[in-house]
Amino acid sequence: NAGVTQTPKFRILKIGQSMTLQCTQDMNHNYMYWYRQDPGMGLKLIYYSVGAGITDKGEVPNGYNVSRSTTEDFPLRLELAAPSQTSVYFCASTEPGDQPQHFGDGTRLSIL
Amino acid sequence: AQKITQTQPGMFVQEKEAVTLDCTYDTSDPSYGLFWYKQPSSGEMIFLIYQGSYDQQNATEGRYSLNFQKARKSANLVISASQLGDSAMYFCAMREYQAGTALIFGKGTTLSVSS
Repeated sequence: NAGVTQTPKFRILKIGQSMTLQCTQDMNHNYMYWYRQDPGMGLKLIYYSVGAGITDKGEVPNGYNVSRSTTEDFPLRLELAAPSQTSVYFCASTEPGDQPQHFGDGTRLSIL
Repeated sequence: AQKITQTQPGMFVQEKEAVTLDCTYDTSDPSYGLFWYKQPSSGEMIFLIYQGSYDQQNATEGRYSLNFQKARKSANLVISASQLGDSAMYFCAMREYQAGTALIFGKGTTLSVSS
């Protein structure tokens, strides 16, 4: 059981470039999330989805976009990379109620 | 506004000793859950323990226990018999069931265990 899989694990981008961070889960969870973790800080919510076709903004959505066409996949798109988006990005999934969120291993992104 | 506060940036403990990591929270939602996650230097997020706002007893999972004091809005993590492998960053997080499904995280506490 793979759980939540994120690709790539590491990436360096130039300012203004675009990229998509991939996230897929095999637990059939309806709820999926994208967080970012800046150095020495906790995680902050970027976007979340409660099911295929439904997405909503979190605390720090500017500069990002998401889509949810299937239950399994929840990609995060950076359109015009900026140095402020240098961070570690985590994808997570869960079911409603008291279930913990299951996290992927993260994508470490540097924008230079 | 909902908030998680972890006031200890770093904690130091010797092997086999117990350690308490502090967490206070603020919410107006009567129904919520509190979670603790461990993040080792390798970076992954590992779920440790959960406490629901209506749970009467403190949660326990092996060497981890949660000291839940609802009136004080605190949810401290207690690690008994510390091991070298416990050295990591620890995050307290809250999920408000009426407001949404996402977790709100504290800034974390770095725990260092020495031999």
